[in-house]
Amino acid sequence: DQQVKQNSPSLSVQEGRISILNCDYTNSMFDYFLWYKKYPAEGPTFLISISSIKDKNEDGRFTVFLNKSAKHLSLHIVPSQPGDSAVYFCAASANSGGSNYKLTFGKGTLLTVNP
Amino acid sequence: NAGVTQTPKFRVLKTGQSMTLLCAQDMNHEYMYWYRQDPGMGLRLIHYSVGEGTTAKGEVPDGYNVSRLKKQNFLLGLESAAPSQTSVYFCASSYPSSGPISYEQYFGPGTRLTVT
Repeated sequence: DQQVKQNSPSLSVQEGRISILNCDYTNSMFDYFLWYKKYPAEGPTFLISISSIKDKNEDGRFTVFLNKSAKHLSLHIVPSQPGDSAVYFCAASANSGGSNYKLTFGKGTLLTVNP
Repeated sequence: NAGVTQTPKFRVLKTGQSMTLLCAQDMNHEYMYWYRQDPGMGLRLIHYSVGEGTTAKGEVPDGYNVSRLKKQNFLLGLESAAPSQTSVYFCASSYPSSGPISYEQYFGPGTRLTVT
C-alpha cells in the first residue's frame, strides 16, 4: 500500500513559468513532509520541508503548501529554470508517532524545464 | 566535510557472488539508512540503524544484511547476489548528536550494482 503518492510521473514547463508538483498521502500519522531533488547519477538532495503545524513554507523560489484536510501537499517553483530539471521526491515522516527516523518516499516526478 | 560517501561507485557481480557496500558519514549523525532505487519505484528502505550497534529491517530487507560497528559507518552486505538485486543503492544519514534537532536525511552519491 503506497502511503505517499506522486501521481504525475513527469511534468514539462517553460522557463520562467511556474512548476507545480503534487503529492498525496494516506497515513494520518504523518506530520512532517519534505521534498528532495535528484539529478541523474547523484544522490537526492534536501530541498524544503514543512511541519504539519504550518500550511506554507517558503525558501526563495520554492514554496511548499500543505492541505492537511485533503492530505495533499504541493511544491511550487517560481520562476522555473532549466537547472531545476530533475526528479523530485516527496517524503513524509511521523515524528510524533515515534518513527521520526524514517521517511516514506513517493515514486518521484521528473520535471523538465524547457528554455 | 565530505558528508556521506559510498564505496564503490559501480560494481558488476555474477549471480551467487557476495559483496559489501560501505557507507561513511562525517556529520556525527545518529541514524543511518540503506535504500535502493529502481525505475518507477522511488526509494525503498532496505535496513536502517538508529545508533551504533543497532540495526533494523526496512521495507525490502530480504537478501541483505547490515552492520553498524562504528557510528560513522554502515555496511550493506549481499551474501548471494541475485539479478533482482540489480539496482542503485543509496546510503543516507540523519539526526545530529548535538545542535538543533533535524530529521532531514543526507544522501550519498549512490552505488550502481549490476548482477548478471
